[in-house]
Amino acid sequence: QLQLQESGPGLVRPSETLSLTCSVSGGTVRTTSDFWGWIRQAPGKGLEWLANIHVSGSPDYNESLVGRLTISIDPSKDQFSLEVTSVTAADTAIYYCVREVEGNWVDPWGQGTQVTVSS
Amino acid sequence: EAVMTQSPANLSLSPGERATLSCRASQDIKSNLAWYQQRPGQAPRLLLYGASTRAAGFPARFSGSGSGTEFTLTISSLQSEDAAVYYCQQYNIWPQKFGQGTKVEIK
Repeated sequence: QLQLQESGPGLVRPSETLSLTCSVSGGTVRTTSDFWGWIRQAPGKGLEWLANIHVSGSPDYNESLVGRLTISIDPSKDQFSLEVTSVTAADTAIYYCVREVEGNWVDPWGQGTQVTVSS
Repeated sequence: EAVMTQSPANLSLSPGERATLSCRASQDIKSNLAWYQQRPGQAPRLLLYGASTRAAGFPARFSGSGSGTEFTLTISSLQSEDAAVYYCQQYNIWPQKFGQGTKVEIK
């Protein structure tokens, strides 16, 4: 059974760069049909898609955050990562790593990692 | 981009009652719609895809219908474990977009 697990710093200071990693088990990121992505949820809010990437390396980004996001994939480790630069309090959220099945619906979701931006 | 609008924002019903949740797309998305269930303190979980295909692990009391711009999620007989926020998501038009969610409360 495919499982995704996020890892991250928990607390990030304003203006710094947030780095998150997702480890995939029970499957591989090398599947050519799927995409791998990040979705976040601010406190008490809805779901915001951030970015995705295919094993071929072609990334897509939320247009409202372009320039601040970098997604990458490491097939040798079955991991993919997200960097968010110049973070502010508005980036405080639970960050989920996900598989986008054939680039469509999302399944499964990681359990999520809480990121708080605070000095 | 396709904007997704869900209604109502909140729904409070008794066990055994029928819940009807709506999701409207600002453009034709064919049947490229998914629904997710997010229980309190948990990650979202895929419930339906292709507007009406149930994901593994969900009982038959959950059903979906619609195509184009109007979609419905129906829970035929509410159980206590169905208390959650339900989100729709379109994946027909880039970028994929989620609705704002409907919170279902069990009285």
